[in-house]
Amino acid sequence: EVQLVESGGGLVQPGGSLRLSCAASGFTFSSYWMHWVRQAPGKGLVWVSRINSDGSSTSYADSVKGRFTISRDNAKNTLYLQMNSLRAEDTAVYYCARAMTRYFDYWGQGTLVTVSS
Amino acid sequence: DIVMTQTPLSSPVTLGQPASISCRSSQSLVHSDGNTYLSWLQQRPGQPPRLLIYKISNRFSGVPDRFSGSGAGTDFTLKISRVEAEDVGVYYCTQATQFPYTFGQGTKLEIK
Repeated sequence: EVQLVESGGGLVQPGGSLRLSCAASGFTFSSYWMHWVRQAPGKGLVWVSRINSDGSSTSYADSVKGRFTISRDNAKNTLYLQMNSLRAEDTAVYYCARAMTRYFDYWGQGTLVTVSS
Repeated sequence: DIVMTQTPLSSPVTLGQPASISCRSSQSLVHSDGNTYLSWLQQRPGQPPRLLIYKISNRFSGVPDRFSGSGAGTDFTLKISRVEAEDVGVYYCTQATQFPYTFGQGTKLEIK
């Protein structure tokens, strides 16, 4: 069974940093692209970042470029999102999602990030 | 960026009746490889999104056959043949033809 479990969310002050993790199981993690998608409270889904299967290629939404870094450790079956210089508008539930040839086929339960003083 | 526009934004439906959601993209979603990377997601209250349909009309594993997708180019439709209580939630279309991947605003399906 494919499982994606996010962790690392919490309350952080504006300008602070947080690192999210997504532990994967039930599939060959190193074979899949992975994504982060976020959802502000009561709002819709917004794509944040993606990484290819071996970690050699990444992409970011303009809103997070230069502040967020996606990475992965295929030996640990874990996806990461390092978030720096956090702003109030980054407050959201962050989901990791597996990508199967350009569609998100499995999603984690999400982890809430709240940026507030 | 490709803008995805869904209509309606809210859809009250009677149990057992059909429902239809439209999604229009600001440019063609046909990829250079010939595929159209338009998919539909369902998000039940308090739950993460769940894949229903990929590449316009392919039902994902475990998705009931009352869900169907159609369309081409820039115009797409999700249809539910007979709405059940468990179908309540928000439905999103999403494109993965071009970065950044983008989502529609969501259509809230509720029971009358």
